[in-house]
Amino acid sequence: SQQGEEDPQALSIQEGENATMNCSYKTSINNLQWYRQNSGRGLVHLILIRSNEREKHSGRLRVTLDTSKKSSSLLITASRAADTASYFCATDSGEGNTPLVFGKGTRLSVIA
Amino acid sequence: GAGVSQTPSNKVTEKGKYVELRCDPISGHTALYWYRQSLGQGPEFLIYFQGTGAADDSGLPNDRFFAVRPEGSVSTLKIQRTERGDSAMYLCASRTSSNTGELFFGEGSRLTVL
Repeated sequence: SQQGEEDPQALSIQEGENATMNCSYKTSINNLQWYRQNSGRGLVHLILIRSNEREKHSGRLRVTLDTSKKSSSLLITASRAADTASYFCATDSGEGNTPLVFGKGTRLSVIA
Repeated sequence: GAGVSQTPSNKVTEKGKYVELRCDPISGHTALYWYRQSLGQGPEFLIYFQGTGAADDSGLPNDRFFAVRPEGSVSTLKIQRTERGDSAMYLCASRTSSNTGELFFGEGSRLTVL
């Protein structure tokens, strides 16, 4: 089953613009993570935000978390053609042996 | 090795055949996960190992799927009597002994069942 739902499913922007992707989830979490996947490749971890954090930055990435709304957003500023990829949110309940649960992803296309 | 290694990278087989997919996690990572990803979808959980034991196999779709990790390092995902619906990317990931934190993924094994 997939808990996270990303929105939009696909996003196409011009190089230099900002890209915003949203993720909604259903159950309580310990942390939420964002991953990137180039076509046909494995996933690469981007950033982790804990349930007691509201915002986190890493380079051109900004992640927000609203646990009351069970939602998160990923902002990529000043996008580049190399940012073209699929982006997934994943929730971690942190309880026992539960695995990360991934959403369906947002396919981002950055046009040069 | 420096990262998670998966072999083969591509496997084409015929319906009904047996397939093994191998995952070599990052050295020292005791937690190992298998996910399956269909085209245009997110990774779906199959099974999780903590050390040698399967801590959670609730994602395995049926009894044709089985995975082992006999020495707590390399894991093998085994699929019997493959069906065309098994065609997907099979992803392996590992992380440290803690049950939180980032996952390190391999490049995946693309399985095609004809």
